[in-house]
Amino acid sequence: DAKTTQPNSMESNEEEPVHLPCNHSTISGTDYIHWYRQLPSQGPEYVIHGLTSNVNNRMASLAIAEDRKSSTLILHRATLRDAAVYYCIIRWGGSQGNLIFGKGTKLSVKP
Amino acid sequence: DGGITQSPKYLFRKEGQNVTLSCEQNLNHDAMYWYRQDPGQGLRLIYYSQIVNDFQKGDIAEGYSVSREKKESFPLTVTSAQKNPTAFYLCASSRRDWKLANYGYTFGSGTRLTVV
Repeated sequence: DAKTTQPNSMESNEEEPVHLPCNHSTISGTDYIHWYRQLPSQGPEYVIHGLTSNVNNRMASLAIAEDRKSSTLILHRATLRDAAVYYCIIRWGGSQGNLIFGKGTKLSVKP
Repeated sequence: DGGITQSPKYLFRKEGQNVTLSCEQNLNHDAMYWYRQDPGQGLRLIYYSQIVNDFQKGDIAEGYSVSREKKESFPLTVTSAQKNPTAFYLCASSRRDWKLANYGYTFGSGTRLTVV
């Protein structure tokens, strides 16, 4: 599985956009980019995933670099409830691919 | 509403005892997974199952056992062979067609196991 590099922590102000970066320089052509987040004492929650094109859903947007060696999770307007640990995960596209979690980025949101 | 249920939420075990953590899902998902999380760390994969009556070891399977007799259920037994079992245990499930947009793993709310 390709390795990811994320900052340990980031801070944001409430109601401002947040850009969470992830580097994955060893990604292969069949690997998918997944993002999950985890609030304290809860299980992780799926946020978004993509392969090559940028993706949008009701929670966030995923911007994937043209060479796919990096990606950015965009929260368009941070709220206090977005404070969590965000995990960027590279998952092999084969049927036996699993999610392998790193330490993620701890996002703090200031009112 | 469909979801994943883990029980109990908190579990205390004496050293040398086996304990079984329950995980049930009503999402009709084919695959199920068990992860372990230690304080300040990411999740580590213990076991996973893609179909009923079949399962594979993850990265840290030693001292754990599972069964998958029904699609809905994937119990995890923490045996006395697990040297450091105190941790937060998370169960998850997923569809086989996870590549489709907005389909990801669904996680339970976890079981916090403490050895006393």
